[in-house]
Amino acid sequence: GDSVTQMEGPVTLSEEACLTINCTYTATGYPSLFWYVQYPGEGLQLLLKATKADDKGSNKGFEATYRKETTSFHLEKGSVQVSDSAVYFCALRPGSARQLTFGSGTQLTVLP
Amino acid sequence: DVKVTQSSRYLVKRTGEKVFLECVQDMDHENMFWYRQDPGLGLRLIYFSYDVKMKEKGDIPEGYSVSREKKERFSLILESASTNQTSMYLCASAGRKDNSPLHFGNGTRLTVT
Repeated sequence: GDSVTQMEGPVTLSEEACLTINCTYTATGYPSLFWYVQYPGEGLQLLLKATKADDKGSNKGFEATYRKETTSFHLEKGSVQVSDSAVYFCALRPGSARQLTFGSGTQLTVLP
Repeated sequence: DVKVTQSSRYLVKRTGEKVFLECVQDMDHENMFWYRQDPGLGLRLIYFSYDVKMKEKGDIPEGYSVSREKKERFSLILESASTNQTSMYLCASAGRKDNSPLHFGNGTRLTVT
């Protein structure tokens, strides 16, 4: 079946450090890929998405590129801030499905 | 902005009780979902609904049922709560288009004692 594997956390970085959270997937067909972020005490919010191979999603300084050849969708940011501290979830939606399949989440803490 | 509202942030129930978790969305979305979130397991789909009175089982439907009598409201029912159902429950909605993102509520933290 479809699945998402995320880099295990927690990840702790200093402010202005570079961030990469790895995400790989297994799916039939051509899924859409998503990154969601969950701030403390809140539900998940869509951070960015990509719907086909080589698409790059970007938002709030975060980027991820849909790599079909490596079945990956790694999340990157060049300079993290304390306010980026949150849990990040990678997710996929197979082409015909309505629901998303999520990874296990990666806790990011950014220290001042 | 889409608003998905879950009726309770925190609930404490006893083993064997019948529990109702309510979710309302205000964007006329066709699709609604219930997930549970547990540390190290991420989000797991319990049930979803793609139209009024329509429902489909997700990955972990055992011990749960759902009700969708109106388009804006999707209820999760624990027929007889058990301690292993202590969890964070997240409701979400999405539009009809294939790439429509899910919009989540803030979650209900349920503790079953």
